[in-house]
Amino acid sequence: SQQGEEDPQALSIQEGENATMNCSYKTSINNLQWYRQNSGRGLVHLILIRSNEREKHSGRLRVTLDTSKKSSSLLITASRAADTASYFCAPLTGANNLFFGTGTRLTVIP
Amino acid sequence: DVKVTQSSRYLVKRTGEKVFLECVQDMDHENMFWYRQDPGLGLRLIYFSYDVKMKEKGDIPEGYSVSREKKERFSLILESASTNQTSMYLCASSLRATGGQEAFFGQGTRLTVV
Repeated sequence: SQQGEEDPQALSIQEGENATMNCSYKTSINNLQWYRQNSGRGLVHLILIRSNEREKHSGRLRVTLDTSKKSSSLLITASRAADTASYFCAPLTGANNLFFGTGTRLTVIP
Repeated sequence: DVKVTQSSRYLVKRTGEKVFLECVQDMDHENMFWYRQDPGLGLRLIYFSYDVKMKEKGDIPEGYSVSREKKERFSLILESASTNQTSMYLCASSLRATGGQEAFFGQGTRLTVV
């Protein structure tokens, strides 16, 4: 399947620090999405970056996309305890199907 | 406010029972998805539907079937529940568009098969 692979599997930082997580994928894509999941809940869409974009910002989130390396990164600046969650990437091809990997588990320590 | 609603938050069923998990969305989305989530395995796609009565198998369709008789409703059916189907089940929907659109998720159903 065309799922993304997130790295690292787990990340623990102090409140106020920046958190960076990475996503690698194998096929050509139309866009790539990032989602957040709070414990035991459904996923929430964070940001979508198209294949012709290299960087996108939304509040404290910064996403980059390198299609030549088939990779993306999500940076959360000035992290807060409320950012504690799992983060998933979803690379999309021409089809509308949506595949996820195992995610990065972020813990922000107050 | 957009909404994807799953019929149950928690469900306990017996081995061999036929189980229906229901998902309803109010956004007139063409695409609907069913996933299961297990520790260490992430979200795995079971089935995807892109229109009424249309479906595609995902990565793990064995032991499951689906029904999409109306655009707003997508049902996941466990024909004969087994203990290895104990899991968190997540439904999602999205607009059908070239390149894809953001998906909206329900709150999840935690199914235990005993």
